[in-house]
Amino acid sequence: AQKVTQAQTEISVVEKEDVTLDCVYETRDTTYYLFWYKQPPSGELVFLIRRNSFDEQNEISGRYSWNFQKSTSSFNFTITASQVVDSAVYFCALGSRANAGKSTFGDGTTLTVKP
Amino acid sequence: DADVTQTPRNRITKTGKRIMLECSQTKGHDRMYWYRQDPGLGLQLIYYSFDVKDINKGEISDGYSVSRQAQAKFSLSLESAIPNQTALYFCATSDLGQGGNQPQHFGDGTRLSIL
Repeated sequence: AQKVTQAQTEISVVEKEDVTLDCVYETRDTTYYLFWYKQPPSGELVFLIRRNSFDEQNEISGRYSWNFQKSTSSFNFTITASQVVDSAVYFCALGSRANAGKSTFGDGTTLTVKP
Repeated sequence: DADVTQTPRNRITKTGKRIMLECSQTKGHDRMYWYRQDPGLGLQLIYYSFDVKDINKGEISDGYSVSRQAQAKFSLSLESAIPNQTALYFCATSDLGQGGNQPQHFGDGTRLSIL
């Protein structure tokens, strides 16, 4: 069975602080895919990034960066110099052939960035 | 126009009523999903469809049914609504891909309240 754990239910930071959202996953598949999604207060869910299990290169996109470590089964998301607009619920998800191609979502981390 | 459109956006109804939530997409994706999100919780998969002739139950299908009328349309029905089905409902689509490697694209959600 697949599982995604986002242990941090809520995080609150002050603007310009760096913040890391943790994601730990479990799967028996050797090929799998990890995703992050953002759900701002307006409610829609937006895809942010996908990572393949065979590519452990970290990725940076502006103030966002993702650290994928197979040794610890983690795919953490860091926001540098956070802004109020980063306030949202962030979901980590896992997809694999063993799960018939579906995604398993974590429970989400609610990030609040205060001015 | 949105790529994944859900109607209605909000609905208030009474216990015992039959309700249909509709989803249409212009992304040309084969796969469509219905999720439920309760406050403070992650996404729970209700039903999914990998093509027009393929319908599968998710984690919490009891009390729900679906219809895939066309590649672009996937409807969710609550045959006899009950208050604990009050939630935010999302439709999502994804491309065919391989082994769960495709991200999902979500509609804006339907906020359903059952009194």
